[in-house]
Amino acid sequence: GAVVSQHPSRVICKSGTSVKIECRSLDFQATTMFWYRQFPKQSLMLMATSNEGSKATYEQGVEKDKFLINHASLTLSTLTVTSAHPEDSSFYICSAKGTSGRGVAETQYFGPGTRLLVL
Amino acid sequence: AQKVTQAQTEISVVEKEDVTLDCVYETRDTTYYLFWYKQPPSGELVFLIRRNSFDEQNEISGRYSWNFQKSTSSFNFTITASQVVDSAVYFCALRKAGGTSYGKLTFGQGTILTVHP
Repeated sequence: GAVVSQHPSRVICKSGTSVKIECRSLDFQATTMFWYRQFPKQSLMLMATSNEGSKATYEQGVEKDKFLINHASLTLSTLTVTSAHPEDSSFYICSAKGTSGRGVAETQYFGPGTRLLVL
Repeated sequence: AQKVTQAQTEISVVEKEDVTLDCVYETRDTTYYLFWYKQPPSGELVFLIRRNSFDEQNEISGRYSWNFQKSTSSFNFTITASQVVDSAVYFCALRKAGGTSYGKLTFGQGTILTVHP
């Protein structure tokens, strides 16, 4: 149980285009989802926290207009990288935290990640 | 502020050796959670364990064991009889219990474990 999926797993796009990444909790309801960015051989950097039905909370230094987050339902959050540039190339990982039961309220379960390459 | 330190950047062992990954944390909260995650080459973070700050019992799960010592603010992870499939990056993480942090995790820098055949 507590499975989180992420789509796409890999995307290559041209500079200036927008890319949408989906994060879904498959077998539990996720009131809170988190978006992370990870550079090679580094730890995870939290970008933003999204709660279902409300605006995302962005970490300091993360551009809200650049990284649009929508948490439309208890099982889906999306991250849109707008006007992507080569420096946005990275590994983006989402995680989901549940409402209750089976420990999902205390534990973040992670998706498999999305590798974004902007040419 | 919370902080997690994994002083070992990289560890290399030969298969069947035991290996311990260190994790030291800092927090002013009296109630918190500690976690270990495994990140294999595929990239997905796999949840290994969650420990509540009130529960200092050590835990064993197969070849994995965890030693939580509040007195030294440490939450170390030992793999017994390591296998090649254990090769991965291991992250220790800390989360405040309750409050308005929405469960934000503070990660350590990770330890790259390589198990050679």
